[in-house]
Amino acid sequence: GENVEQHPSTLSVQEGDSAVIKCTYSDSASNYFPWYKQELGKGPQLIIDIRSNVGEKKDQRIAVTLNKTAKHFSLHITETQPEDSAVYFCAAPRRAGSYQLTFGKGTKLSVIP
Amino acid sequence: GAGVSQSPSNKVTEKGKDVELRCDPISGHTALYWYRQSLGQGLEFLIYFQGNSAPDKSGLPSDRFSAERTGGSVSTLTIQRTQQEDSAVYLCASSAFEAFFGQGTRLTVV
Repeated sequence: GENVEQHPSTLSVQEGDSAVIKCTYSDSASNYFPWYKQELGKGPQLIIDIRSNVGEKKDQRIAVTLNKTAKHFSLHITETQPEDSAVYFCAAPRRAGSYQLTFGKGTKLSVIP
Repeated sequence: GAGVSQSPSNKVTEKGKDVELRCDPISGHTALYWYRQSLGQGLEFLIYFQGNSAPDKSGLPSDRFSAERTGGSVSTLTIQRTQQEDSAVYLCASSAFEAFFGQGTRLTVV
């Protein structure tokens, strides 16, 4: 099965700076990589995802990049705002060809005003 | 409804009692998942239902845990003889491809 490692576990940035969270995966056949944001007391919310046929995807201030050779993908948040403070989880298919997800352990992002 | 609905939102139970947690998935989603999240921790996979296929129960931590999905829609997670270590937030998600989560049930075993 898939193994997903996520770093860092905590990240503090000044408002307006960029934040980068990185995940590595083990199964080279994995082809779908979502990112979730979890605010306190709420369930995780899908914020962006990428499939293995592209190397980068952007949506306003967030972007995800994928390096299939190195088997890692990253979440980039630019011009961070206090409301970006949350726990972010990356995920990958638990088994090749499956839509079951294995999650990273999460990154607690704090944006300091 | 528009999203995944879980009930109850909070449950306090005495050690040794049985509890049932309910999940109403998004209409038309064939896949349904249960995860457990302990305080400040990541998402621990419990069980996965996909259509009419046999569920993947490989994440259930003990035989006190069971789940069913009736009619391919609503799912119930049952924990028998609850223990204090069962205290956590139990999250349900459903997907047609992308997975969407409910708000979770916070279970406290006292």
